[in-house]
Amino acid sequence: AQSVTQPDIHITVSEGASLELRCNYSYGATPYLFWYVQSPGQGLQLLLKYFSGDTLVQGIKGFEAEFKRSQSSFNLRKPSVHWSDAAEYFCAWGNYGQNFVFGPGTRLSVLP
Amino acid sequence: IAGITQAPTSQILAAGRRMTLRCTQDMRHNAMYWYRQDLGLGLRLIHYSNTAGTTGKGEVPDGYSVSRANTDDFPLTLASAVPSQTSVYFCASSFRTGGRNEQFFGPGTRLTVL
Repeated sequence: AQSVTQPDIHITVSEGASLELRCNYSYGATPYLFWYVQSPGQGLQLLLKYFSGDTLVQGIKGFEAEFKRSQSSFNLRKPSVHWSDAAEYFCAWGNYGQNFVFGPGTRLSVLP
Repeated sequence: IAGITQAPTSQILAAGRRMTLRCTQDMRHNAMYWYRQDLGLGLRLIHYSNTAGTTGKGEVPDGYSVSRANTDDFPLTLASAVPSQTSVYFCASSFRTGGRNEQFFGPGTRLTVL
C-alpha cells in the first residue's frame, strides 16, 4: 500500500532560522504531492502542490518544496521562520484515480 | 464566503448513542470526504463520495456510514458510538476524486465518546 512518512514528529526552531520538513512517499509512479498546514483548532490549508514540470514549487506564506524522484522525497523549506508558522504540517500523496494518503504530520514550534 | 461548514464544533457523547456529524459545502464540488485525525496517525479516510448518489469506503470505515443525497451535503453517522471513535473529524471536498485534485477542508468536529 502507498504510504507517506514524515520522519520528524516535532521540530523546534528559532524565529528567523531556516526550516526544512521532510516527507517521503513509497509509491514509485509519478505522484501528485501536497503540503498542508494546520493551525491549532483549525482545518487544513493547502501550502503548495506538485504535479509535474519544475521540481521546485513555490507556495503561500514564503514556503517552497522540492520534488526529488531519486529520493522519493518532497521536502518543505522556508528560509526564515516567523512565529506565526508554528503549526502542524502534513505531506500528502495522490495519484490518478486514487484518493489522498496523508503523512502523520510534523509539529513545528517556533522559539522567540 | 465559499467553503465547507461542519456541525457541531464539538460534542461529548455517551457510548452507544447515535450521532450524525454534518458537512455542507457551497463550492459545487463533486467529491467529498470524511477523515478522522488522531495523534501520530495523521488523517485517515473514513468514507468518500465521487458524486451525489454514490459513496465509497476509505481506510477506516467500520462503525461509520454516510449518505450523499445532493451535491452540497455529506453527513457522517455513528450508529452506536464507541470510545475508540473519540477523534477530530474533518470533512473535505474537491472538484473531482483523484489525487490531482486539491482538497478543501472544513474546520473540524471534535468528538469525545465516553
